[in-house]
Amino acid sequence: GQSLEQPSEVTAVEGAIVQINCTYQTSGFYGLSWYQQHDGGAPTFLSYNALDGLEETGRFSSFLSRSDSYGYLLLQELQMKDSASYFCAVRDRGYQKVTFGTGTKLQVIP
Amino acid sequence: EADIYQTPRYLVIGTGKKITLECSQTMGHDKMYWYQQDPGMELHLIHYSYGVNSTEKGDLSSESTVSRIRTEHFPLTLESARPSHTSQYLCASSERGKGRNDEKLFFGSGTQLSVL
Repeated sequence: GQSLEQPSEVTAVEGAIVQINCTYQTSGFYGLSWYQQHDGGAPTFLSYNALDGLEETGRFSSFLSRSDSYGYLLLQELQMKDSASYFCAVRDRGYQKVTFGTGTKLQVIP
Repeated sequence: EADIYQTPRYLVIGTGKKITLECSQTMGHDKMYWYQQDPGMELHLIHYSYGVNSTEKGDLSSESTVSRIRTEHFPLTLESARPSHTSQYLCASSERGKGRNDEKLFFGSGTQLSVL
């Protein structure tokens, strides 16, 4: 099975940089994805790492290290609208199901 | 962007009722998923499907059932609702393929279910 752990809450200042970590235990997966979910809304896809290293998409970057069973999402130039919950996720290589992490609630303060 | 629709948006029912939550997508995606999520909590996979006539149970034990008779439609049924079923139910879909597109899940707006 899959187990993905994230810090439950993170607070950061507007304009700053914040890193949200994801540590996992898995029997095999294709890659690590990240989703954003605002209160009352549905999750939306942010990024995907198939290979180790850094993927950059605008203000968001995501990193994966399979040897360390670890990944993170980096948000730069934080804006108030970035206040949301962020989830990492993996698709199981065997059963193809997609498992989400425990989620991190990010609060951006002025 | 994929279009994926869930109805109803909100549902309040009494204990013991049979209900069906509807989910439809118009992008021809092969894979579809049902997740259960309580406020501020993680998403738990309850059912998924690779394609027509294929359904699998997820990680969370559930008393619900699903069917996949058509590619675009993936309804979830509770035969006898209980207060413990009160939660938000999210439907999602993704393409069958390799690489980034296969990994991207598109979510519906969800159904907030309250069982009294």
